[in-house]
Amino acid sequence: QVQLVQSGAEVKKPGASVKVSCRASGHTFSTYDINWVRQATGQGLEWMGWVNPNTGNTGYAQKFQGRVTMTRNTSISIAYMELSSLRSEDTAVYYCARSVPAATGSWFDPWGQGTLVTVSS
Amino acid sequence: SYVLTQPPSLSVAPGQTARITCGGNNIGSTSLHWYQHKPGQAPVVVVYEDSDRPSGIPERFAGSNSGNTATLTISRVEAGDEADYYCQVWDISSDHVVFGGGTKLTVL
Repeated sequence: QVQLVQSGAEVKKPGASVKVSCRASGHTFSTYDINWVRQATGQGLEWMGWVNPNTGNTGYAQKFQGRVTMTRNTSISIAYMELSSLRSEDTAVYYCARSVPAATGSWFDPWGQGTLVTVSS
Repeated sequence: SYVLTQPPSLSVAPGQTARITCGGNNIGSTSLHWYQHKPGQAPVVVVYEDSDRPSGIPERFAGSNSGNTATLTISRVEAGDEADYYCQVWDISSDHVVFGGGTKLTVL
């Protein structure tokens, strides 16, 4: 069974960075892109970007360009998302999700369980 | 940037049919996917590629996509269907994933 397991909740101060991990099991890690999506309290889903586990290539949403870095360690099947210069508005649940290719673009399945990141002074 | 528009909320009685719409410019020309998101849980895909259902998703969930509107139809609604539903596409022009704003389905 394909599964994504994320790291635990984090509390960070404004200006700091956070790094969330996503461990994949049940499929060949290098075959499918890993995407990151977040949801702030009371808000909808917001796409942040993707990383190709095979090549390390990335694509980021324009909103997060310059502040987000997505990486991977293929030897242990883990993808990472690091967000820097944190502000209170970054308080959210962060999800990783596996991309499944579609006729155009891709859809996401499965998703990790989510990681709550709280930014507070 | 590409925008997907969903109604913020929809209320349906048990046993009735819920139709959740997702509007976008020429949305019918691209693959569209639907997710169910319950509080405290990870989102789950309920329809992919406009109208396909993953294994384990009941036949009560059906999707369509044409012109400027996609629709998720949930037949014989049950209390367990209460959740937020999001549509999603890949915007080729920006090379970005786009989610709709979400629709909160309430089962009366």
